[in-house]
Amino acid sequence: LAKTTQPISMDSYEGQEVNITCSHNNIATNDYITWYQQFPSQGPRFIIQGYKTKVTNEVASLFIPADRKSSTLSLPRVSLSDTAVYYCLVGEGNQGGKLIFGQGTELSVKP
Amino acid sequence: ETGVTQSPTHLIKTRGQQVTLRCSSQSGHNTVSWYQQALGQGPQFIFQYYREEENGRGNFPPRFSGLQFPNYSSELNVNALELDDSALYLCASSLFYERATDTQYFGPGTRLTVL
Repeated sequence: LAKTTQPISMDSYEGQEVNITCSHNNIATNDYITWYQQFPSQGPRFIIQGYKTKVTNEVASLFIPADRKSSTLSLPRVSLSDTAVYYCLVGEGNQGGKLIFGQGTELSVKP
Repeated sequence: ETGVTQSPTHLIKTRGQQVTLRCSSQSGHNTVSWYQQALGQGPQFIFQYYREEENGRGNFPPRFSGLQFPNYSSELNVNALELDDSALYLCASSLFYERATDTQYFGPGTRLTVL
């Protein structure tokens, strides 16, 4: 079964770069790695998705090593509004779109 | 923002009752997934519908059932409600390809409280 492991919590200060690493040692060979952000009582919000190497969009970067057993979400210059829970996700095989959410990483950004 | 809407936003039921939650998918999406999120936990996959048929199911009993309509809107039905069914119920829509992790866009959720 696919499974992800992330730090439960992280603290940071405004303006710093934050890197959250997730391990996923049983990922399907053709599956993406996806990261979501969630605020309390809201649905998860898609941040970024990748298959290998590096992906960058307007809000984050995603680094995936060649063995794909981990991934690192990088948030440049965080602000107070980035305080949220972050989930990395991998698929449960090719059938049924079953996303396996772990416990997530609770990021707290301080002034 | 994402185009996925859910109704109602909040709901209070008593144990043993039945409930129907609704979801309207993002335009152009043909797949909907439902998740249950208990307080302080990550979302748990309930099931997915693709072209009106169930296309995968998590570890939820049969009293959790669903429907997807030709316009790709969806319903989640829960019978014989239990106290532990109290949670935030999320639906997510996507375009179904081969990969399980094709991007899913979530609605705001329905907060269900069972008394």
